[in-house]
Amino acid sequence: DVKVTQSSRYLVKRTGEKVFLECVQDMDHENMFWYRQDPGLGLRLIYFSYDVKMKEKGDIPEGYSVSREKKERFSLILESASTNQTSMYLCASRSQGRYEQYFGPGTRLTVT
Amino acid sequence: DQQVKQNSPSLSVQEGRISILNCDYTNSMFDYFLWYKKYPAEGPTFLISISSIKDKNEDGRFTVFLNKSAKHLSLHIVPSQPGDSAVYFCAASAPGAGSYQLTFGKGTKLSVIP
Repeated sequence: DVKVTQSSRYLVKRTGEKVFLECVQDMDHENMFWYRQDPGLGLRLIYFSYDVKMKEKGDIPEGYSVSREKKERFSLILESASTNQTSMYLCASRSQGRYEQYFGPGTRLTVT
Repeated sequence: DQQVKQNSPSLSVQEGRISILNCDYTNSMFDYFLWYKKYPAEGPTFLISISSIKDKNEDGRFTVFLNKSAKHLSLHIVPSQPGDSAVYFCAASAPGAGSYQLTFGKGTKLSVIP
C-alpha cells in the first residue's frame, strides 16, 4: 500500500512565523503535490513537483514556496504565515504516467 | 472559472438505497475522471475512475457513468451503507502537460441514514 505521511496533524502558528510542512512518501513516486482544502472551495493545488529539484506553480502559489531535495520528500514553506493561510493542507503523490494521486492524512494549520 | 462542478453540497440517503452523486465539467479536454472519498480529519482516498473512451466502470458497489456529450458523470453506490457517509470529490485530468494536475470539484457530503 502507498503510504504518504505528513509531519504534523495539527499545528498552531503565529502571524509572521515561518512554517514548514513536511511530506514523505514511501512508494518511489516521481510526482508530488501540495493542496489546501477549505470549506466550500474543495481542493486547490498550491504547488507540485514532477521530479527531484523540479517544481511548478499550481492554482494558488502566492505566499508559499516548496522544496524537493529528495525523491521521497516534498516540503511546503509559508515564509510569513498569515491568518488567511489557516487551512487543511494535504500532500499527495503519484507514479509518473498514472492518474491516481494518493493523499496523506493532512495537516490542520491554524495561524493566529 | 470552475471547470468541475458538483452542484449538490449535500445528499441524504436511507441505508440500503441507491446514492447518486453528480458531477459536471466544462473543459472538453478532460479525458480521465476520478472519484475520491474523504472522511473528516483524513486525506481523500481514491475510489474509482473512468477514461473518456468508456461510458461505465464498475467496482463492487460503486459504478461511475460518463456522458461525454453532456459533460456529465455520476457515481452510483448500491446499496448505500452508513460507512459510506463522507464527502465525495469528483476530479478530472487533461492530457499532455495538464495530465500532472487534477481539477477537483467542491465536493458533495453524503449522509447515509441507518
